[in-house]
Amino acid sequence: DADVTQTPRNRITKTGKRIMLECSQTKGHDRMYWYRQDPGLGLRLIYYSFDVKDINKGEISDGYSVSRQAQAKFSLSLESAIPNQTALYFCATSVAGASTDTQYFGPGTRLTVL
Amino acid sequence: AQSVAQPEDQVNVAEGNPLTVKCTYSVSGNPYLFWYVQYPNRGLQFLLKYITGDNLVKGSYGFEAEFNKSQTSFHLKKPSALVSDSALYFCAVRDRGAGSYQLTFGKGTKLSVIP
Repeated sequence: DADVTQTPRNRITKTGKRIMLECSQTKGHDRMYWYRQDPGLGLRLIYYSFDVKDINKGEISDGYSVSRQAQAKFSLSLESAIPNQTALYFCATSVAGASTDTQYFGPGTRLTVL
Repeated sequence: AQSVAQPEDQVNVAEGNPLTVKCTYSVSGNPYLFWYVQYPNRGLQFLLKYITGDNLVKGSYGFEAEFNKSQTSFHLKKPSALVSDSALYFCAVRDRGAGSYQLTFGKGTKLSVIP
């Protein structure tokens, strides 16, 4: 979905390096999410944010941090990357106040930690 | 706690035949249910959702899903499969009454449509 963009699309890094993945959206949605996808495990929620001042841990937040710089921007950081953080990372957005909370996903960032 | 199970890692179907991708869920209250599709090297795309009301939900690309409360299932169906339907399909659930806005996804089912 072109309304949700992620940068970079691919990244190879080394163990111990700090990495930031960025997400921007033009959908005007208040809620933003970070997931990781691993083969055979589906998607797991890392962090989510309902507005700039409301950030919450998801299922697997250890080793990750986030920053909501503006309504449209939500960044995910790996302070000290490790090989088991190699995965496909997705950002998603949804509309505040919509009870069904349909989420719309970005194209993903493929991260490899050597 | 909420959970989703997709019992089949892979489903193979011949082009033109009907397809079904299975999903069962567990919630403490009433569910919101979703299907998403992921094409190679792409993000997830929303297909359809069940909120309330009619148990048969119609979505994008000719897909539909049937909500069955007694069997706690939400199977995805299409009457006639296309080769272009080959992709990874994810079922997701949110418990309406849990006070949480988190979606829980299944592990995904790879659909292969054989020409």
